[in-house]
This record gives sequence, C-alpha cells and structure tokens, in this order.
Amino acid sequence: DAGITQSPRHKVTETGTPVTLRCHQTENHRYMYWYRQDPGHGLRLIHYSYGVKDTDKGEVSDGYSVSRSKTEDFLLTLESATSSQTSVYFCAISESFFKPNSPLHFGNGTRLTVT
Amino acid sequence: AQTVTQSQPEMSVQEAETVTLSCTYDTSENNYYLFWYKQPPSRQMILVIRQEAYKQQNATENRFSVNFQKAAKSFSLKISDSQLGDTAMYFCAFMKYIIQGAQKLVFGQGTRLTINP
Repeated sequence: DAGITQSPRHKVTETGTPVTLRCHQTENHRYMYWYRQDPGHGLRLIHYSYGVKDTDKGEVSDGYSVSRSKTEDFLLTLESATSSQTSVYFCAISESFFKPNSPLHFGNGTRLTVT
Repeated sequence: AQTVTQSQPEMSVQEAETVTLSCTYDTSENNYYLFWYKQPPSRQMILVIRQEAYKQQNATENRFSVNFQKAAKSFSLKISDSQLGDTAMYFCAFMKYIIQGAQKLVFGQGTRLTINP
C-alpha cells in the first residue's frame, strides 16, 4: 500500500471552530489531493497540489484552504467549520498523469462531524 | 464538464455468481483513463482495475474484467465467481489531465454490492 497517513482518523468539532486535517506521504509523489465523500455524490475534489507551495481549487473548494510547505505534507483547513462540512475526507497522491499506470492512491480517510 | 453515472445504487447476488456493475460517462476528451475503485466497510479506497481510453482491449485482473465501449461511453465491471469479500461500495471514476501533470478523478455515485452466502 502507498504510504499515506491521514490524521486525525475521526474528529468531532463545533460549528464556527477552525479545523485542520493533515495528510502525510512517504512516497515522494509530486501530486497531492483532498477529496470529500458524501452519500449520493461519490468523492469530489476540494483542492490539489502540483508541488511545494503550488495549489489550486477543485470543484468544491468554498470554505476550505490548503497549504503545502513540504513535499510530504498537505494540510486542509476549514477556517470556520459548518454543518455542511460534515463528511469523510480523503487525501490522495499520484506521480503524474503522463506516467503510465499512475493512478491515485488514497489514504484511509478522516471522518469529520461538525455539530 | 465530465460526469460519471452509476445507475444501480444497490445490487445483491449469491456467492459464486457473476455480477455486472454499470457505468456511463460523458466527456469530449480523447485522452483519459477509467477506473473502478472498491470501498469496503473499512472505508479504504482500493483500486480494482484501470483502462486506458486509447486501448481497445478490455482490461482484466483475475476475477475482475471490464467491458469498455468507447463510442457508447460505457465502462462496466464484471465480477466472476463472486466472493463474500467482494461486498463493498464500488465507484466508477474517470481521470483527466488538469494542470502541470496533475490529474483529476471524477467519481460516480457508487453501487453498493452485497454478496450473500
């Protein structure tokens, strides 16, 4: 399995509080991604990174920010958590679209509940 | 915008039977990849099989095979000799290039498959 660690595994927080989720990889892959999973929607891309300090928005980025100061770490921050952000969050890594047989590998997810 | 549709929210079969999960997608791109991911109750996302759009030959991985119909934009997954461990949510996904070598997966809504003893 690809070396991806997400922390925490579970978190319960109150509306309005800031929350940071961490993704750590040991594969030295250039690309990292944050997805959220909700019933009826599959997984949807929040933000992604194509290198240290290089990030961009995905399709559901409102209310989220990210940072990548090192190759191995990609942080997802909810500045002020809302109940609509209750979800399971997955981090993923990849080598390159242009590299044959280079799919996304996923972490084990973080279940976030905003009360 | 690319979309992926899985029209079967739930399926249930007996152990050892063959089951086919449907997936259709919509894109105007010519260079892309298609995947099936399995998500058991542990929540882990496990890659089952992949297909390159430029390859006409259908991909196979042991008991798992796909029927890729590029013109029809259809990508179904067949599981032969189903096992209890195949019980999971299955996601069809379309992968496209976005920027600087990064890739984006667009997922279907998922099909919950139950294998009964």
